Amino acid sequence: AQTVTQSQPEMSVQEAETVTLSCTYDTSESDYYLFWYKQPPSRQMILVIRQEAYKQQNATENRFSVNFQKAAKSFSLKISDSQLGDAAMYFCATGAGSYQLTFGKGTKLSVIP
Amino acid sequence: DTGVSQNPRHKITKRGQNVTFRCDPISEHNRLYWYRQTLGQGPEFLTYFQNEAQLEKSRLLSDRFSAERPKGSFSTLEIQRTEQGDSAMYLCASSFRVGTGVHEQFFGPGTRLTVL
Repeated sequence: AQTVTQSQPEMSVQEAETVTLSCTYDTSESDYYLFWYKQPPSRQMILVIRQEAYKQQNATENRFSVNFQKAAKSFSLKISDSQLGDAAMYFCATGAGSYQLTFGKGTKLSVIP
Repeated sequence: DTGVSQNPRHKITKRGQNVTFRCDPISEHNRLYWYRQTLGQGPEFLTYFQNEAQLEKSRLLSDRFSAERPKGSFSTLEIQRTEQGDSAMYLCASSFRVGTGVHEQFFGPGTRLTVL
């Protein structure tokens, strides 16, 4: 069984500043993957970034990067140079094997102009 | 648009009625997933298909729920005798799996169900 915990229901950040969203997880799988998905208001979820657990190097994708601490089972998302379009719900998720994803409850990010 | 599409986008029904949702995945994707998302929660897995075979069902999927994916293309999710607790956003996602590993799932816009 897998669980994902996002302890920050809401966060806010000033435009152009940096924000970090927290995520912890638990899994009994030895080979698993971690994801951050973004869900803008009334729009579909899109993948922001993914991390293979067997890789030590933290994934980066333009302004988005993760801090993956495998021993601590922590997977935080850092958004640099925040933009108004970053405002959304952010979901942390984990997947193993080849099918279902297990999601956290999400963090609502607001970007202040 | 070559993304995942879902129809209808919104459905309002009375308790006890049957409803059916449709999902059209990205054309070359062989895996299709259904999730349910209630207010303030993340999506919860319901079931998934590889081609036309339904390979896994969550315990959340009661006997009133049935899903099909004939010919490995589009999928339908039917809820019989709807209850107010079925009110939620139903999300469909698809992915293309080759070999091992967990591949990116592409999500549709969802069908929002309201049961009165």
